[in-house]
Amino acid sequence: GESVGLHLPTLSVQEGDNSIINCAYSNSASDYFIWYKQESGKGPQFIIDIRSNMDKRQGQRVTVLLNKTVKHLSLQIAATQPGDSAVYFCAENIQGAQKLVFGQGTRLTINP
Amino acid sequence: NAGVTQTPKFQVLKTGQSMTLQCAQDMNHEYMSWYRQDPGMGLRLIHYSVGAGITDQGEVPNGYNVSRSTTEDFPLRLLSAAPSQTSVYFCASSVRDRIYNSPLHFGNGTRLTVT
Repeated sequence: GESVGLHLPTLSVQEGDNSIINCAYSNSASDYFIWYKQESGKGPQFIIDIRSNMDKRQGQRVTVLLNKTVKHLSLQIAATQPGDSAVYFCAENIQGAQKLVFGQGTRLTINP
Repeated sequence: NAGVTQTPKFQVLKTGQSMTLQCAQDMNHEYMSWYRQDPGMGLRLIHYSVGAGITDQGEVPNGYNVSRSTTEDFPLRLLSAAPSQTSVYFCASSVRDRIYNSPLHFGNGTRLTVT
């Protein structure tokens, strides 16, 4: 996941625009990736996942892109809505391990 | 289904006190885990279990104990609370004992303050 830092990266977008949230993962042996959304006061909620044998996966209004060459993962949210305001985390599973490693998260704020 | 239920929601402890954070799931999930979340640090794995009777350490296990006597419950014990354990704790479970295609379901967390 992303390197540890004291301040949460923030992305501000206009309502209706597309959002792109990026994540750099650290381990070339990671073979499964998940995006989670966390609203204030709640636990993380699953959005979409992707295996390392894929480079793109689409869900409802969301798309995950995986670039293994540069160890980069992105989450695209189409037509961003106020309800999309949250902190978004990427997580990676290292092959053979039974645990996810989470990035520090990105806070998405929506401007009306 | 209630999903993953954590109790209590909030707790204040004095340094040196012990307590147990409760986690229960009613989805018959094999895999359960505990994470702590600190500002700017993301979620860090404390302990996990791939089934009843089996537990293992995560990234930050020191100061915490777990047990898994049933499929449903996975309590986290703080043996002697320290201010460094002030955090938000999340319990999570998934269907199978393998991560693939089995995303974690999280509870709503316990906010712990140690003074």
